[in-house]
Amino acid sequence: AQRVTQPEKLLSVFKGAPVELKCNYSYSGSPELFWYVQYSRQRLQLLLRHISRESIKGFTADLNKGETSFHLKKPFAQEEDSAMYYCALKYGNKLVFGAGTILRVKS
Amino acid sequence: DAGITQSPRHKVTETGTPVTLRCHQTENHRYMYWYRQDPGHGLRLIHYSYGVKDTDKGEVSDGYSVSRSKTEDFLLTLESATSSQTSVYFCAISGSGGGTYEQYFGPGTRLTVT
Repeated sequence: AQRVTQPEKLLSVFKGAPVELKCNYSYSGSPELFWYVQYSRQRLQLLLRHISRESIKGFTADLNKGETSFHLKKPFAQEEDSAMYYCALKYGNKLVFGAGTILRVKS
Repeated sequence: DAGITQSPRHKVTETGTPVTLRCHQTENHRYMYWYRQDPGHGLRLIHYSYGVKDTDKGEVSDGYSVSRSKTEDFLLTLESATSSQTSVYFCAISGSGGGTYEQYFGPGTRLTVT
């Protein structure tokens, strides 16, 4: 069965510090993974998808099939990065989400 | 924001009463989804629709039913609300996917069952 695990409920870092939000998945097929973000009082929105290999707002994520991971990274955290982050796995035309990680960037 | 609205945005209801939440889209997307968001569980799929009158269950469908009589509307009904259904409910839509698959989310409905 498909599953997404985000082991950290809360990650608190200082402004300017590196950030890594962990995501591991379980899926028997070829995975297609996403990171979604929910800023305070805003809708959930797509941050990036692994298939695009893009960098959005300084965030990157690399799919590691050997470790079944899709960790989200940013070299220097900013206060405006504070939000809830969800990792998601596509199966068919559906997504399964992890439990989410709250990122808190302190000044 | 993609053209997705949810109504009502907030609702307080009593245990045992029926509740219907509405999701409306103006994007003409084929797929529509209902999720609930709970701390420690993230977003969990309740039901989804792959076309008018075509729906299927998600992972937490017990106690919920859905209907889609028009492309633009997807209704979620709690036949007899329970306190365990207190949650934030999100609707989402998507097209047919391919390399640019994305789900677009509505603003959410906060439901409290007392």
